Amino acid sequence: QQQVKQSPQSLIVQKGGISIINCAYENTAFDYFPWYQQFPGKGPALLIAIRPDVSEKKEGRFTISFNKSAKQFSLHIMDSQPGDSATYFCAAKASGNTPLVFGKGTRLSVIA
Amino acid sequence: DTAVSQTPKYLVTQMGNDKSIKCEQNLGHDTMYWYKQDSKKFLKIMFSYNNKELIINETVPNRFSPKSPDKAHLNLHINSLELGDSAVYFCASSSAENEQFFGPGTRLTVL
Repeated sequence: QQQVKQSPQSLIVQKGGISIINCAYENTAFDYFPWYQQFPGKGPALLIAIRPDVSEKKEGRFTISFNKSAKQFSLHIMDSQPGDSATYFCAAKASGNTPLVFGKGTRLSVIA
Repeated sequence: DTAVSQTPKYLVTQMGNDKSIKCEQNLGHDTMYWYKQDSKKFLKIMFSYNNKELIINETVPNRFSPKSPDKAHLNLHINSLELGDSAVYFCASSSAENEQFFGPGTRLTVL
């Protein structure tokens, strides 16, 4: 049973456009929701994270929107650039010594 | 300064061999992890150690044995390698605030 469902699998966006990736979770014990960015041949890098006490968090061009009642969260990349082309993973974690549970990833391509 | 480092970056070996991957973190974190990323890019937790103690073992075959000599190191030893073990293995460490930092990965190819 997949605990974190991520969509779409792949996304093509024009340069300057908005990229939107969505995730839904099932476990109501999750209380930490990070997004990771992975370039080919590299490890995942923490991009931005949110806790359920806020509905939105913004860092530069990256924004997480969080809907606790719907058990959904999304990543918005404003003014998308070719350098943003990478695979993006959402994840979720409960408190304590529990692991991150990852979505299956979204391959983003930003074309000029 | 590399926060989480792994060696080797690439590992090519024959079926049946035994191999080890090393991981070190210089972030002062208490918790370290091993993840496996398969050919479809799916990331799955394998093990987690907190202060040298095993706290998570996600139904990984016992051919895989993690060892933590101190809280800055978490090594992964794999016995009797099989074709299905081919993947990228990532080490990670986390702060008390849950931020996890990943190493560069070790691409294991079993022939």
